[in-house]
Amino acid sequence: EAGVTQFPSHSVIEKGQTVTLRCDPISGHDNLYWYRRVMGKEIKFLLHFVKESKQDESGMPNNRFLAERTGGTYSTLKVQPAELEDSGVYFCASSDRGLFRANVLTFGAGSRLTVL
Amino acid sequence: EDQVTQSPEALRLQEGESSSLNCSYTVSGLRGLFWYRQDPGKGPEFLFTLYSAGEEKEKERLKATLTKKESFLHITAPKPEDSATYLCAHGVMNSGGYQKVTFGTGTKLQVIP
Repeated sequence: EAGVTQFPSHSVIEKGQTVTLRCDPISGHDNLYWYRRVMGKEIKFLLHFVKESKQDESGMPNNRFLAERTGGTYSTLKVQPAELEDSGVYFCASSDRGLFRANVLTFGAGSRLTVL
Repeated sequence: EDQVTQSPEALRLQEGESSSLNCSYTVSGLRGLFWYRQDPGKGPEFLFTLYSAGEEKEKERLKATLTKKESFLHITAPKPEDSATYLCAHGVMNSGGYQKVTFGTGTKLQVIP
């Protein structure tokens, strides 16, 4: 079974530029999550898709971040325009658990974003 | 705000020297306490889920336990390959019926041969 795939693995951009991160979840997993780890801090929740719908986007830092999940398959996270504080590692995770079920997440390797 | 606090931040052990990692949480309505392992350059990898106080789970040299406010990850006779960052997380149901998982900052474990 293929795992969760993320790309790019590392992106270096200038402040003000745009970056798009992509996540391919495990096939058949309806739940897709984005998390972010900023240097020295904990892994923080950004948002949760159930199929193509945003179920919880309470962790999105501001409107410079836009997440989409086309047809309930892969997801993209766009940062536009990028700021220095957006630097960190962005993790995607997926799960097949539904309502009222404990949520074991399978993570991708992460996309490291460096904003200069 | 729900919080997960892990200690120590870093731990250095000699091979074979047993120890425990601590995770304390402040949340009501816990629906799962999770332990993950993370190696450098990789995403977190699931280890255990605990649901209720008194529950224990084991995998090789690792044993996780849960009380009402804390969880411990006991490492017995560790080997260098156990070196990693160990993450604790808790799950709480949101208003939509889905579980939101919140992570601690982790304990970085180094096992010296």
